[in-house]
Amino acid sequence: GAVVSQHPSRVICKSGTSVKIECRSLDFQATTMFWYRQFPKKSLMLMATSNEGSKATYEQGVEKDKFLINHASLTLSTLTVTSAHPEDSSFYICSARVDSEQYFGPGTRLTVT
Amino acid sequence: EDKVVQSPLSLVVHEGDTVTLNCSYEVTNFRSLLWYKQEKKAPTFLFMLTSSGIEKKSGRLSSILDKKELFSILNITATQTGDSAIYLCAPSGGSNYKLTFGKGTLLTVNP
Repeated sequence: GAVVSQHPSRVICKSGTSVKIECRSLDFQATTMFWYRQFPKKSLMLMATSNEGSKATYEQGVEKDKFLINHASLTLSTLTVTSAHPEDSSFYICSARVDSEQYFGPGTRLTVT
Repeated sequence: EDKVVQSPLSLVVHEGDTVTLNCSYEVTNFRSLLWYKQEKKAPTFLFMLTSSGIEKKSGRLSSILDKKELFSILNITATQTGDSAIYLCAPSGGSNYKLTFGKGTLLTVNP
């Protein structure tokens, strides 16, 4: 149980385009979903916290107009990187919370050329 | 500001050795402390600790929390090369159980 999927696992896009990443909890309903970013050899940095049906709460320094989060249901959250630039290239990971446990998706490697 | 310090940052051992990984934390409205193992992809869940002094075990791994000293340890006995990974400590806090991650301990187990 407690499986979280992410799609796509890897994406390459051109500078200026937008990319949407999906995060799904497959066998449970998630109270809250989180989006993280991880640079090589660095720890996970929380970008935003998302509850179903309400606006996401962004961490300081994260541009909400650039990283759009939609949490349409208790099993699906999406992160859209708008007008992507090479510096947005990173490993994006979502997690889903059920009670006090949190489970991570496999991550999405984004490369912006 | 919430803070998590893990030590050591890296560790190299031989198969069969026992290792202890440390995590100290300061988190507002502490809920629980989670340990994760990260290899090439996203972190995989190991333990969640909510009560002081109660050891959690899973095979060769065990972990314990000290809520008075704001400290947790993760023990791995009889290490194997497959234990090589980054081990992340993440206390959760607040109404959303937000996780704050430490920098992790990079464990390398040599044959």
